[in-house]
Amino acid sequence: NAGVTQTPKFQVLKTGQSMTLQCAQDMNHNSMYWYRQDPGMGLRLIYYSASEGTTDKGEVPNGYNVSRLNKREFSLRLESAAPSQTSVYFCASSRHLPSTDTQYFGPGTRLTVL
Amino acid sequence: QKEVEQNSGPLSVPEGAIASLNCTYSDRGSQSFFWYRQYSGKSPELIMFIYSNGDKEDGRFTAQLNKASQYVSLLIRDSQPSDSATYLCAVNPGSSNTGKLIFGQGTTLQVKP
Repeated sequence: NAGVTQTPKFQVLKTGQSMTLQCAQDMNHNSMYWYRQDPGMGLRLIYYSASEGTTDKGEVPNGYNVSRLNKREFSLRLESAAPSQTSVYFCASSRHLPSTDTQYFGPGTRLTVL
Repeated sequence: QKEVEQNSGPLSVPEGAIASLNCTYSDRGSQSFFWYRQYSGKSPELIMFIYSNGDKEDGRFTAQLNKASQYVSLLIRDSQPSDSATYLCAVNPGSSNTGKLIFGQGTTLQVKP
C-alpha cells in the first residue's frame, strides 16, 4: 500500500515549456486534490476532483489544467510554464470531500521554472 | 484579511513545556477545522480535526475550538524535540462539501532540548 504517489519528484522547466505532473492513489479514495506550496503562503488549492469524472477549480487555477483519468489517477498540466509557477506541488486524496475526512498527501514535486 | 491566519513564528519552547499554537479564521460559517504537521522537506500529515466548540484531546495533543471568537488552537503537552515542525491550520469554509480546505501559512515550532 503506497498511499499517494507523485511523479516526478523534481523538475526544471524553461519558460513556455509544458509538462504534466502525475498523481496516483491506491486507497480507493473518491476525492483528489492538487495544491501548491510557496514560502510563507501555506498550501493553496489549485483544482480538486470530488469523484471520478468531475473536476472543480480551487483558489489558484489559472495556468493549470487537470484530468481525472480514473478513480486512482489525477494529473496536473502546465501548458506554458511561467516563473511564477515555481513551487512545490502536492497531490492529496480523501475518501470523500474534506468536511468530514482526512486528506492524505503525496511526497510532493519540486518544480523550478527558469 | 487572510481567510486563515497563523503566526509564522518561530515559536521556541523548552523540552517538556506546553506549546500553544493559534489560528484565526474569517468565515463565520466554517464547519470543520484541521491541524496538520509538516516536517521540513516533507508532506503534511494530519494530527487532529475538530468540528464542535470546546476541547478535543488525543494523547499529548489538544485542539480547542471557539466559533464565537473564530479561533482554533492546538496545545502540545510535554513537547519533544521530535515535535519541531511547521504546524498548518486548515479550515473547511462556509457551505461545506465544496472540497475546499483553506490553509494558514503555518507556525514553525522549535522544541529545544
